[in-house]
Amino acid sequence: NAGVTQTPKFQVLKTGQSMTLQCAQDMNHNSMYWYRQDPGMGLRLIYYSASEGTTDKGEVPNGYNVSRLNKREFSLRLESAAPSQTSVYFCASSALEGRGPQHFGDGTRLSIL
Amino acid sequence: GENVEQHPSTLSVQEGDSAVIKCTYSDSASNYFPWYKQELGKGPQLIIDIRSNVGEKKDQRIAVTLNKTAKHFSLHITETQPEDSAVYFCAASPTFEGGSEKLVFGKGTKLTVNP
Repeated sequence: NAGVTQTPKFQVLKTGQSMTLQCAQDMNHNSMYWYRQDPGMGLRLIYYSASEGTTDKGEVPNGYNVSRLNKREFSLRLESAAPSQTSVYFCASSALEGRGPQHFGDGTRLSIL
Repeated sequence: GENVEQHPSTLSVQEGDSAVIKCTYSDSASNYFPWYKQELGKGPQLIIDIRSNVGEKKDQRIAVTLNKTAKHFSLHITETQPEDSAVYFCAASPTFEGGSEKLVFGKGTKLTVNP
């Protein structure tokens, strides 16, 4: 009963390094999302994917790229990490063609020095 | 774009009391309003949601009310218990683009239930 699985759980990077955050869901959901959560803020949408093969920008896409590898997996890449990208990153998925509850993973805590 | 305001930012109640968290939104086209509970070190978990064709929805001790005219919605928790302590987020969905609901979240309310 895994739901949405994110790896890694924690990561420390140096400025300028690159990294890919992985997300996989086992609920056969069509839509997947990446959010970031900063202290005192709500969750802000970075990118989303309505279905396999499609991706689109959310509210804060700058500095990130995504890949919808297949129906299960949606990855988030930081090409050249910056301290402003220090955050907790959450992946989510939803069924019902995107009209339905979003199910979240437990997050990746990323620090960039 | 859509803007969601959430109040209060912190709320402390005694066990057994009720708690109310309020949110306002700006985009009259929003039609889906979920509430999430986030425990320390965990991802948000949906606790209740409402669509704009209803005014109130209840699930045991939790209820959500929606006033589309005033553009606000509220979470009500009755008979609070210590395990209700968490951060609660409201959200609104202003668009359904490309087959996905794009949620805009409030900044959260930290609820503490004192035994």
